[in-house]
Amino acid sequence: DTGVSQDPRHKITKRGQNVTFRCDPISEHNRLYWYRQTLGQGPEFLTYFQNEAQLEKSRLLSDRFSAERPKGSFSTLEIQRTEQGDSAMYLCASRDDRGRNEKLFFGSGTQLSVL
Amino acid sequence: QQPVQSPQAVILREGEDAVINCSSSKALYSVHWYRQKHGEAPIFLMILLKGGEQKGHDKISASFNEKKQQSSLYLTASQLSYSGTYFCGTETIYNQGGKLIFGQGTELSVKP
Repeated sequence: DTGVSQDPRHKITKRGQNVTFRCDPISEHNRLYWYRQTLGQGPEFLTYFQNEAQLEKSRLLSDRFSAERPKGSFSTLEIQRTEQGDSAMYLCASRDDRGRNEKLFFGSGTQLSVL
Repeated sequence: QQPVQSPQAVILREGEDAVINCSSSKALYSVHWYRQKHGEAPIFLMILLKGGEQKGHDKISASFNEKKQQSSLYLTASQLSYSGTYFCGTETIYNQGGKLIFGQGTELSVKP
């Protein structure tokens, strides 16, 4: 069990550019979540997958954001035409929903800075 | 809808106790508690399920009142290592196993 890993750890980009983040969940976890966190706030839900199916996407999420989990393993989150307001920590988490009481395991996050 | 945490911030001396509250307007299936240190990922503390259970390990415990849709996290005889931001995350009865919605956090500082 190597934990949830995210890449890159930091990303600096210019406004208007596209960025893509990757998340590798714990291997046996079938649910994968993306959250966004800004300074002083709790993680804000973006979207989640069960295996390769995207089950829910936040209504607050702009259509510039898209996420995939093509083979039910790793996931990517893409932001198109980045804006300064997209600057945040993007957290990935996973869990196995086949039992009860299943906690989320978080990755260390990708810190995005849009200049 | 986001659960509401109180207080927003707490400053303690080592050895003092603290209570952090989490309140939701929705019928809850579970409440999760996490602690996050600056620049790090949130770390799981415990889960409470509807049924009004109480859990604890070491000097950290929590309760869940499903009738009031409230949970409280109790930290007793606080240690320096307890410093960080505490988040509750809630699952509704309509979305078990689905998304967790997190509160805005309670920043805890333990001083020597």
